[in-house]
Amino acid sequence: DAKTTQPPSMDCAEGRAANLPCNHSTISGNEYVYWYRQIHSQGPQYIIHGLKNNETNEMASLIITEDRKSSTLILPHATLRDTAVYYCIVRVANSGNEKLTFGTGTRLTIIP
Amino acid sequence: NAGVTQTPKFRILKIGQSMTLQCTQDMNHNYMYWYRQDPGMGLKLIYYSVGAGITDKGEVPNGYNVSRSTTEDFPLRLELAAPSQTSVYFCASSNRGGGDYGYTFGSGTRLTVV
Repeated sequence: DAKTTQPPSMDCAEGRAANLPCNHSTISGNEYVYWYRQIHSQGPQYIIHGLKNNETNEMASLIITEDRKSSTLILPHATLRDTAVYYCIVRVANSGNEKLTFGTGTRLTIIP
Repeated sequence: NAGVTQTPKFRILKIGQSMTLQCTQDMNHNYMYWYRQDPGMGLKLIYYSVGAGITDKGEVPNGYNVSRSTTEDFPLRLELAAPSQTSVYFCASSNRGGGDYGYTFGSGTRLTVV
């Protein structure tokens, strides 16, 4: 699976959009971008994933650049409960390689 | 629907003792995983299973054993506990390798070896 690079920490004001970047310059054509978050030592929670088109669900939006070398997770109206560590992961989906590799992520702090 | 249930939530072991961390899921997922997370670090895969009777090593398997006799259960065994195994342990499960809906994680077991 391709390596990802994320900033170690970010702050965002409550009610504003939180934009979390991720670089994955070695991503291959069949690798998806996944985002998870971990709130205060709980188990990680799946947020969203995508291949090359932008994706949106009830939690967030995922914007993937045209060359697929980077992506941005957007939390449109951040709340205090969004304070967490966010992990960006790239992997081939349903390939038989079932191992999900976590890096150290971005610690997002929502400021009141 | 309980999801992934881990027991116990906390445990203190003495060096050399053994214990089993329990993990059960009720979502009929074929794939199950054990991760450990040391303070300030990301999760590291210990073992995983793609179905009953099938297990494989992850990144850090030494000192651990697993079994998968049923679809629901995936216990993790520590035979001779060492201080280096002090960590938070997470069990997870997924359908079709997590490609469509991601992994579902349990709430973790915090283990201290003294």
